[in-house]
Amino acid sequence: GALVYQYPRRTICKSGTSMRMECQAVGFQATSVAWYRQSPQKTFELIALSTVNSAIKYEQNFTQEKFPISHPNLSFSSMTVLNAYLEDRGLYLCGARDRGEQYFGPGTRLTVL
Amino acid sequence: AQSVTQPDARVTVSEGASLQLRCKYSYSATPYLFWYVQYPRQGLQLLLKYYSGDPVVQGVNSFEAEFSKSNSSFHLQKASVHWSDSAVYFCALSMTGNYKYVFGAGTRLKVIA
Repeated sequence: GALVYQYPRRTICKSGTSMRMECQAVGFQATSVAWYRQSPQKTFELIALSTVNSAIKYEQNFTQEKFPISHPNLSFSSMTVLNAYLEDRGLYLCGARDRGEQYFGPGTRLTVL
Repeated sequence: AQSVTQPDARVTVSEGASLQLRCKYSYSATPYLFWYVQYPRQGLQLLLKYYSGDPVVQGVNSFEAEFSKSNSSFHLQKASVHWSDSAVYFCALSMTGNYKYVFGAGTRLKVIA
């Protein structure tokens, strides 16, 4: 079956430092990967969408300078939260998709001290 | 712009009672529609999805949802809830040919004895 793994599941970083998180698709080819953030008590916001052979598209209020994303092959993507501050805390979800359904990972929960 | 509205932030029902969680969407064409559940401190799990065809879709754990184009709705239902159904439920849409998901704000369901 199709599975999406995310590493780490939980992480803590000091304010002003950076944190890299990874997303791995197993059992299918992730032609597109979407990164979402769920801030405390809120819904999921799309940060950016990465599609193979296309430029990574960031949503309003999210930038490559703050959330650089790498999507080097059809099974792996990573995103870094640069210079993290309190407002960056939350659950970061990776959604990976082939030509059909999007599969979500369990998320990386980021705490910023 | 596309949007998903879940008008009820919190719903409390007694165990064994029936349940309906409301979802309204705004999109000019027929979207792909989803219901996800999020248990405490976990990621998203897909309950059911609608792409086309029969407007009543069956999902896991006896959940079902009915798509109504005239009402722009995709309400989630269950005939008899169990305490383990307590969680946050998200309605989401995906636009045709677009890998971006738009999520509603979520409905927190509490099942009481």
